[in-house]
Amino acid sequence: AQTVTQSQPEMSVQEAETVTLSCTYDTSESDYYLFWYKQPPSRQMILVIRQEAYKQQNATENRFSVNFQKAAKSFSLKISDSQLGDAAMYFCAYRSAVASGSARQLTFGSGTQLTVLP
Amino acid sequence: DTGVSQDPRHKITKRGQNVTFRCDPISEHNRLYWYRQTLGQGPEFLTYFQNEAQLEKSRLLSDRFSAERPKGSFSTLEIQRTEQGDSAMYLCASSLLKNTGELFFGEGSRLTVL
Repeated sequence: AQTVTQSQPEMSVQEAETVTLSCTYDTSESDYYLFWYKQPPSRQMILVIRQEAYKQQNATENRFSVNFQKAAKSFSLKISDSQLGDAAMYFCAYRSAVASGSARQLTFGSGTQLTVLP
Repeated sequence: DTGVSQDPRHKITKRGQNVTFRCDPISEHNRLYWYRQTLGQGPEFLTYFQNEAQLEKSRLLSDRFSAERPKGSFSTLEIQRTEQGDSAMYLCASSLLKNTGELFFGEGSRLTVL
């Protein structure tokens, strides 16, 4: 079974600064997807960024980018020019690329609570 | 708004009572998921539907839990004889049949068992 580990329960960053959230995962599969989801307080979880394991290029979405190290099974999220609205719980998640059964589900890490300081 | 909606948002019940949660997914989404999230933890998979068929159930889904999606649209999650350990946020998510994993989540139904 796949596992996802987020070793930073809490992080803080000054507004306009850059912060990196860490995530490692364990899998024996070679093809899969990795995600970062954001969960603001009392709001629904939304997708921040997605990475396909077969792509070597790191995904970017505006101020959000990832550092995907497949051999190291590491998938960190960098938030540049942090804004107050970035404050939330961030979850790293894994999904197999196998198109059947339990592979369709997402496996989440335990989350990192990000505080943005004005 | 055409997002995923869940009802009720909050439910307080006494141990031993039955509760039912409803999820209305995004209308064109074939897949529907239920997750459970406890405080300070990530969501844990409970079960998954493709249209009306329940294709996968986690071992977390004990016999007291049952989920249905009778017409392939909305879904219900019922917990019978609730226990204090059932207190959690129950999240519903939906996705298209062909997708690369992105799930669209509702705001969740928070259950407190006294």
